[in-house]
Amino acid sequence: GAGVSQSPSNKVTEKGKDVELRCDPISGHTALYWYRQSLGQGLEFLIYFQGNSAPDKSGLPSDRFSAERTGGSVSTLTIQRTQQEDSAVYLCASSYPPGGAGGYTFGSGTRLTVV
Amino acid sequence: AQSVTQLGSHVSVSEGALVLLRCNYSSSVPPYLFWYVQYPNQGLQLLLKYTSAATLVKGINGFEAEFKKSETSFHLTKPSAHMSDAAEYFCAPHGGSQGNLIFGKGTKLSVKP
Repeated sequence: GAGVSQSPSNKVTEKGKDVELRCDPISGHTALYWYRQSLGQGLEFLIYFQGNSAPDKSGLPSDRFSAERTGGSVSTLTIQRTQQEDSAVYLCASSYPPGGAGGYTFGSGTRLTVV
Repeated sequence: AQSVTQLGSHVSVSEGALVLLRCNYSSSVPPYLFWYVQYPNQGLQLLLKYTSAATLVKGINGFEAEFKKSETSFHLTKPSAHMSDAAEYFCAPHGGSQGNLIFGKGTKLSVKP
């Protein structure tokens, strides 16, 4: 597609429920990143996929968070048993060439609110 | 590991005044450095990038940044602020072997008429 697409744009969920956030990167971009943006906290790196390599999961805050990328394209970030501190904007980005040397293209994000 | 500091979480300038947003990276020289801008309720947009070809980098909307190795800085400037520049700005050095960009906490720019 022309840009990075994220869905849903807004999600309100009850504490304890699971949520799935979707990211559709730019066609041909081999690298895909998830970041979390909380008020006053800047962008927090979550996970990085590069081609068929094992993802860099070093930023995932707990084992309630997981992500997958199917067929080297669409990615899904799953948060299990959501907590109120998970409320944030979740941003996805893709890039080419690998490693982000050319900069990232970001989606508009998913605003998650846990009530 | 690479780190980044943006001095001033909030900067306010008058329309037509100089804009200066500060960014300092950690002592290890990153291979690439970026500035991103985020307008309200939107995603991040690439403003400019440093890739060692030139120390003074020009970006979109009249912004530029100068890479100074001796000062470990990559400050963003614009000679004359416009109301439409009001947004949040993020400095992001590349993490090198970490393979991802490291974002600062951001500086929110307000422009007064």
